[in-house]
Amino acid sequence: GQNIDQPTEMTATEGAIVQINCTYQTSGFNGLFWYQQHAGEAPTFLSYNVLDGLEEKGRFSSFLSRSKGYSYLLLKELQMKDSASYLCAVVDSNYQLIWGAGTKLIIKP
Amino acid sequence: SQTIHQWPATLVQPVGSPLSLECTVEGTSNPNLYWYRQAAGRGLQLLFYSVGIGQISSEVPQNLSASRPQDRQFILSSKKLLLSDSGFYLCAWSVSDRDTGELFFGEGSRLTVL
Repeated sequence: GQNIDQPTEMTATEGAIVQINCTYQTSGFNGLFWYQQHAGEAPTFLSYNVLDGLEEKGRFSSFLSRSKGYSYLLLKELQMKDSASYLCAVVDSNYQLIWGAGTKLIIKP
Repeated sequence: SQTIHQWPATLVQPVGSPLSLECTVEGTSNPNLYWYRQAAGRGLQLLFYSVGIGQISSEVPQNLSASRPQDRQFILSSKKLLLSDSGFYLCAWSVSDRDTGELFFGEGSRLTVL
């Protein structure tokens, strides 16, 4: 079966750095997305990785290792507004999106 | 610019009642359209997707149905709601000529079936 694993919840301190991991086992791979979702709102796009390596976009970076079936989202200089759920999603061989359950990130002052 | 809007935002319905959620997209043509359901603590579940008017693919058997009467309109319906239909429903669109395109989500509709 297809599976996306990410931690259920993480806590970090304002101004710090946090890494949210995502591991996947899917039938094929055509890219990996990270989305941010604030409580009660729709997900919004953060990043897309299809090749191995690190993609940096401001305070957020996303890393992919296809051989390890692994990705992480790195958030730097955390702000209170970063408190949200972070969703990992993989595009499989049929170009279908397989979603993880999301990681709820709690930022403390 | 492209926008997506779905409504209603919140609804409370009794078991056995009908449902209609509507989604419209503006500023783009021939989008791929999707209906997802998000249950607490679980990943997004794809319910239906459409690549064109009248073309609907169902991903899971259920008492829900979808229709696409116009290019940029997507409707989720049920004739008789079940308790298990409660959840957060999200409409989304993507550019049709990209297999791995980014999804753009509507605001979401929270359904509570009592």
